[in-house]
Amino acid sequence: DGGITQSPKYLFRKEGQNVTLSCEQNLNHDAMYWYRQDPGQGLRLIYYSQIVNDFQKGDIAEGYSVSREKKESFPLTVTSAQKNPTAFYLCASSSLTSGNQPQHFGDGTRLSIL
Amino acid sequence: AQSVTQLDSQVPVFEEAPVELRCNYSSSVSVYLFWYVQYPNQGLQLLLKYLSGSTLVESINGFEAEFNKSQTSFHLRKPSVHISDTAEYFCAVTDTGRRALTFGSGTRLQVQP
Repeated sequence: DGGITQSPKYLFRKEGQNVTLSCEQNLNHDAMYWYRQDPGQGLRLIYYSQIVNDFQKGDIAEGYSVSREKKESFPLTVTSAQKNPTAFYLCASSSLTSGNQPQHFGDGTRLSIL
Repeated sequence: AQSVTQLDSQVPVFEEAPVELRCNYSSSVSVYLFWYVQYPNQGLQLLLKYLSGSTLVESINGFEAEFNKSQTSFHLRKPSVHISDTAEYFCAVTDTGRRALTFGSGTRLQVQP
């Protein structure tokens, strides 16, 4: 079955440590997105990519970095510069053949601070 | 810039009662609107979408939403809810320039027996 796989499901970060969240999709979608979810705030866009080797900052990109070396993969690194990283992170993808295509979501990674 | 407002953070309702979850948006351009549902510790699942045409859209599990351009609203309704409908519901609008979604803050629907 086609879908989006995020790993790990739970992740813990120590002070000063960078951690990387994995996102893989086999839907052949061009665009991929990373969102951060905090209680009562909905989802906020961190980064997005519409084509391999290109990506753009979203609304809350500070303290995060991404890469898009393959169409199927869009890993997110939470750097030590992100002072409040505890949140639920969701990866999504969509086709670009039509601007109204809905986004498909993975099951998320919950990041906590040790 | 686009924004989405979900006026109710929580909506408690008894099983088999009707429910309406409110969503208002602001945008200077034409929009595409979506409702997503999220169960605990899971990602979001698309519930229904408005793209164009008929202003009333329906999902396979009994939910419906009506696009009202004059009131800039896209309220979600169900005539009779089930315990299994307990979840968080998010309204979202596309930003066609970057194709990303702008989300509301969510409404937690709590169906009680």
